Amino acid sequence: QSALTQPASVSGSPGQSISISCTGTSSDVGSYNLVSWYQQHPGKAPKLMIYEDSKRPSGVSNRFSGSKSGNTASLTISGLQAEDEADYYCCSYAGSSTYVFGTGTKVTVL
Amino acid sequence: QITLKESGPTLVKPTQTLTLTCTLSGFSLSTSGVGVGWIRQPPGKALEWLALIYWDDDKRYSPSLKSRLTITKDTSKNQVVLTMTNMDPVDTATYYCAHSHGYHFDCWGQGTPVTVSS
Repeated sequence: QSALTQPASVSGSPGQSISISCTGTSSDVGSYNLVSWYQQHPGKAPKLMIYEDSKRPSGVSNRFSGSKSGNTASLTISGLQAEDEADYYCCSYAGSSTYVFGTGTKVTVL
Repeated sequence: QITLKESGPTLVKPTQTLTLTCTLSGFSLSTSGVGVGWIRQPPGKALEWLALIYWDDDKRYSPSLKSRLTITKDTSKNQVVLTMTNMDPVDTATYYCAHSHGYHFDCWGQGTPVTVSS
């Protein structure tokens, strides 16, 4: 069970859209529609942003969206804002009630 | 309002056993479908899923750490306990517990830092 692969960093200017990829295998990301995404500001606990590949919890801005194709899931942030600067982690169900997180992506707002 | 709070030692010696407690509020671990998981994060590094316990006492562990972990619940106290044996400096991390109802973690505790050092 290896960590899902994410780019180390992604950056964009305010108002732009960015996407973060999350690549797994046919045993995790590719097998289930159960990828979730978490936002983590420095020194804070993670916050759920997307679940079941593309669903948004109540209270999360509709600027955040999720998608998946094959073994790769993606988180898109549209209309990038300064408050979106944070670390983002994907997580996938990996069968038998086990989970695997991604390597994490630092988002910088230029 | 669902809240979780982790507690435990901030410093443990190598080879010792770590015991962490997660105190739950706003929900019951006897409710069908509910689970509580433990996730850790070494300084400056990524999140790592450790273990999960469900309302029916089903327990799941990270395959790479399974031999060292034990997760239990005390529904009457609204607590979940994680023990990790044979601690090593590489286990230095912030340990989080989180609520799960579905295949994600929708509410997290603030985390508790643990340093492993002699």
